[in-house]
Parts: sequence; structure tokens; C-alpha cells
Amino acid sequence: GNSVTQMEGPVTLSEEAFLTINCTYTATGYPSLFWYVQYPGEGLQLLLKATKADDKGSNKGFEATYRKETTSFHLEKGSVQVSDSAVYFCALRDQGAQKLVFGQGTRLTINP
Amino acid sequence: SAVISQKPSRDICQRGTSLTIQCQVDSQVTMMFWYRQQPGQSLTLIATANQGSEATYESGFVIDKFPISRPNLTFSTLTVSNMSPEDSSIYLCSVEWGQGRKTQYFGPGTRLLVL
Repeated sequence: GNSVTQMEGPVTLSEEAFLTINCTYTATGYPSLFWYVQYPGEGLQLLLKATKADDKGSNKGFEATYRKETTSFHLEKGSVQVSDSAVYFCALRDQGAQKLVFGQGTRLTINP
Repeated sequence: SAVISQKPSRDICQRGTSLTIQCQVDSQVTMMFWYRQQPGQSLTLIATANQGSEATYESGFVIDKFPISRPNLTFSTLTVSNMSPEDSSIYLCSVEWGQGRKTQYFGPGTRLLVL
């Protein structure tokens, strides 16, 4: 079945550091891939998405590239801010399916 | 994207009681989804709700415990019945939105604590 595996957390960085959160997936078809972010006490917000191989999703300085050959969708940001502290979820939706499959989430804390 | 609201935003309930959570969308949508997020965990899909038909439940979730209504294209409710402390979670509704390969957008969630 479909699954998403995320980098183990929690992750703690200093402000302006480079961020990578790894995400790999297993899917039977050609999934769409998503990163969602959950700020403290809030619901999930869509951060970025990619719908086909080699697509790059980007938003708020975050980027992720859909790599079919490595079945990965790693999240990156060149310079993190304290306000980026949140839990980040990688997710996939297989082609023709409605259900989102989530990774376990990665808690990110940015220290000033 | 669609704007989604949920009521209540949080509640503290006694075991054995039931709570109904409302989800309202500002646009008409075909599919609505209900998820559970247990403390410190990821999201698990409870059921998918189409307007005018019975909800489709995922493995491990049953209608008697989580009855869902979908009376129109902008509204749905999830009831958590006969609650126990294990039901303490965040409950989120989401909707599909967009053209082509649609994207799911989430409401702010309902934080439930069962004592």
C-alpha cells in the first residue's frame, strides 16, 4: 500500500540555518505530493505541492522537488526563522484516489 | 482556496457523552473528509462524506461511533459518540478544491479532551 516516511524529529536549528526535512514515499501509481504545516494550536495549512515528476513546489521560501527516481520530496529552506517553528507533514495522494496518506510529522523548533 | 470553519474550536467532555462537531465551507464542494489527530501523532482519515450519500468509513472506524451527516454541499457534522479518554484528539475536516488534480484544504480543527 501507499506510505510516507519522514525524517525523525524533533529538529532544532538556529535562526538563519539551512533546513532539510526528508520525505520518501511508496505508491502504486503516480501520486501528487504535498507538504502541510501545523503551527502551534492551529489546523493544517498547505505549504506546497507537486503533481508530477520533476515539479518543484515552493512557498514562503520553502521548496520541494518531486523526485520519482528516488521516490522523494524533501523540504528545504535556505534560511529559517523563529516563525517557522511548527510541525511539518509530508503527504501523498495516489492518482485517482481521494485519500491523503500522511507521514508521521516532523517537529521543527528554531531558536533565535 | 475554500475557507473552512469548525465549531466548537475546543471542548472538554465527560466520558459516556457525545459531541457533534460542525464543519462549514464558504463554497460548494463535492467531497468532505474527517480526520483524527491523536496527541503527538499524525492524521488518520476517519471517513469521506459525499452530499446525499452515506459516508465511507476507513478501517477501524464505524458509523455507530462516528456518525456523519452531509445535508448539503457546504456543511457536514461529525459526532463522537459515547466518548472515552481515548477519543481525546484533534478532529479536522477537509475539503477538496481546485481544478484537475484537486488539493485538500483543512479546517482549524476541534480540540477535544475527554475526562
